[in-house]
Amino acid sequence: GDSVTQMEGPVTLSEEAFLTINCTYTATGYPSLFWYVQYPGEGLQLLLKATKADDKGSNKGFEATYRKETTSFHLEKGSVQVSDSAVYFCALDPDFNKFYFGSGTKLNVKP
Amino acid sequence: DAGVTQSPTHLIKTRGQHVTLRCSPISGHKSVSWYQQVLGQGPQFIFQYYEKEERGRGNFPDRFSARQFPNYSSELNVNALLLGDSALYLCASRRQGGSNEQFFGPGTRLTVL
Repeated sequence: GDSVTQMEGPVTLSEEAFLTINCTYTATGYPSLFWYVQYPGEGLQLLLKATKADDKGSNKGFEATYRKETTSFHLEKGSVQVSDSAVYFCALDPDFNKFYFGSGTKLNVKP
Repeated sequence: DAGVTQSPTHLIKTRGQHVTLRCSPISGHKSVSWYQQVLGQGPQFIFQYYEKEERGRGNFPDRFSARQFPNYSSELNVNALLLGDSALYLCASRRQGGSNEQFFGPGTRLTVL
């Protein structure tokens, strides 16, 4: 069945370090892929998305490229800030009916 | 425009009780989905409703039920609460057609004692 696998956290980085959070997926069709972010005590916010192979989603310095050949959608940011500390969720939508989420990766950025 | 709203924010119940959670979607959004997020895990899909009809159901027992009203707001009901039902319950709305992006509410934190 459809599923998402994320790298386990927590990930701890110093401010201005490079960030990569790995995400791979399993799906039978051509799902849309998403990254959501959850700040402490809050709901989920869409960070970026990609709807077809080779699409690159980007927002607030974060990027992710839909790689169908490797079934991956890794999240990257060139220079993280303390304010980026949050839990990041990779998700796929195979059929416009429901999302499958990964288990989340907690990011801690130290000043 | 207001985002997705949920009520109540927090709720404490005891085992065996019943609970009703409420969600109002973004204006113009006709699709509402419910997710359960247990602490430390990703959200798990419970239900999707569109135009008052159930369009999808996740792997949850029959104790969980939902409905959507003519104004597109929705209720999630859980009967015979178990300790394991303690979680953050998230509601998401989507404008059916076009973008499949879902917008999430802040959630209802349910604690079952």
